[in-house]
Amino acid sequence: EPEVTQTPSHQVTQMGQEVILRCVPISNHLYFYWYRQILGQKVEFLVSFYNNEISEKSEIFDDQFSVERPDGSNFTLKIRSTKLEDSAMYFCASRSPGRAWNQPQHFGDGTRLSIL
Amino acid sequence: AQKVTQAQTEISVVEKEDVTLDCVYETRDTTYYLFWYKQPPSGELVFLIRRNSFDEQNEISGRYSWNFQKSTSSFNFTITASQVVDSAVYFCALSEDNSGGSNYKLTFGKGTLLTVNP
Repeated sequence: EPEVTQTPSHQVTQMGQEVILRCVPISNHLYFYWYRQILGQKVEFLVSFYNNEISEKSEIFDDQFSVERPDGSNFTLKIRSTKLEDSAMYFCASRSPGRAWNQPQHFGDGTRLSIL
Repeated sequence: AQKVTQAQTEISVVEKEDVTLDCVYETRDTTYYLFWYKQPPSGELVFLIRRNSFDEQNEISGRYSWNFQKSTSSFNFTITASQVVDSAVYFCALSEDNSGGSNYKLTFGKGTLLTVNP
């Protein structure tokens, strides 16, 4: 069964450094999402992306964050200057076109980001 | 604004017991979608079930069953004859069908940590 893949599984970065989290969505999916889960807390929506542009973003997704689909297969999340509070598990998700009823989001296994 | 409340932070049961995980949601939309996800200790999110707002039929899948009641805005999840492998955090999530848009972002509850002891 096709799946969403995320790399790396764990990323350790010094505070203030840039980090890029990578995702390869399922090949025929057109809608892409990033979510964040701080340790022990709930999963929070960051951003959705469709047709090469952001369709919605949350308050968390400030100017330090950006997303890109550089080559038609990868979907990346960049954090420009990381802060300690960016430490979290980041999940990528994708889905096919259609109503959410019959086209649920498929999640990757996540990237654990640790900021030192 | 959409909101999901899972009032049970942690539940601990002994194997073979039945357990119900509660989920209460808030939304202004008349069309919306509800989901349950399982997060085992390994950390990934595993999709379990989805329901749409116009289908209140309850569903059973093996040892899992779901009770959707619009009158109380609840979408509860029951595991029958629980097993140690059921130990995980379970998240309820809501997606609105607003403005005919196709975003369908998920709003998650805080999750319920289920521990099944042998």
